[in-house]
Amino acid sequence: EVQVVDSGGDLVQPGGSLRLSCAASGLTFSASDMTWVRQAPGKGLEWLSSIRANGFDTFYADSVKGRFIISRDNSKNTLDLQMNNLRAEDTAIYYCVRGLRTPDKWGQGTVVTVSS
Amino acid sequence: DVVMTQSPVSLPVTLGQPASISCTSSQSLVYSDGNTYLNWFQQRPGQSPRRLIYMVSNRDSGVPDRFSGSGSGTDFTLKISRVEAEDVGVYYCMQGTHWPLTFGGGTKVEIK
Repeated sequence: EVQVVDSGGDLVQPGGSLRLSCAASGLTFSASDMTWVRQAPGKGLEWLSSIRANGFDTFYADSVKGRFIISRDNSKNTLDLQMNNLRAEDTAIYYCVRGLRTPDKWGQGTVVTVSS
Repeated sequence: DVVMTQSPVSLPVTLGQPASISCTSSQSLVYSDGNTYLNWFQQRPGQSPRRLIYMVSNRDSGVPDRFSGSGSGTDFTLKISRVEAEDVGVYYCMQGTHWPLTFGGGTKVEIK
């Protein structure tokens, strides 16, 4: 069974940094494109960033470009999202998702709160 | 950016009755490979989203056959043939054709 588990969410002050992680199992991770999506409290879904299976091609939403960095370690089946210069509007549940154009398996989400 | 517009925003439905959700994109979703990357997701209260339909009309494994997707180009529809209590939640369309990837605003399905 494919499982995607997100972690790393926390309370952080504005301007601070946080690193989210995603562990995947039950799939050929090295052959899977991966994506991060977030959901602000009471709001809809927002695509943030995707990375190709080979790790060389990355894509970002304008709202996070220059502040967030997506990366992966195919030897450990893990996906990361380094988040810098966090703002109050980054407060959300962050989901790791397998896939890119047709994302399918979602993690349970990890909560990031940006507040002083 | 491709804007995905869903309607209605809220959909009260009687149990056992059909329901239909519309999703319109501001540009054609036909990709250069000939595929149309339009997906539908269900988010039940307190849960992560779950994909129901991919590439317009392909139902995911385990999804009841009362769910169906249709459409082409810029106009797409998700239909529930007979709504059941477990179908309550928010439904999102999402396009995977153009960067940045974008979601519709969501349609909240509730029981009358």
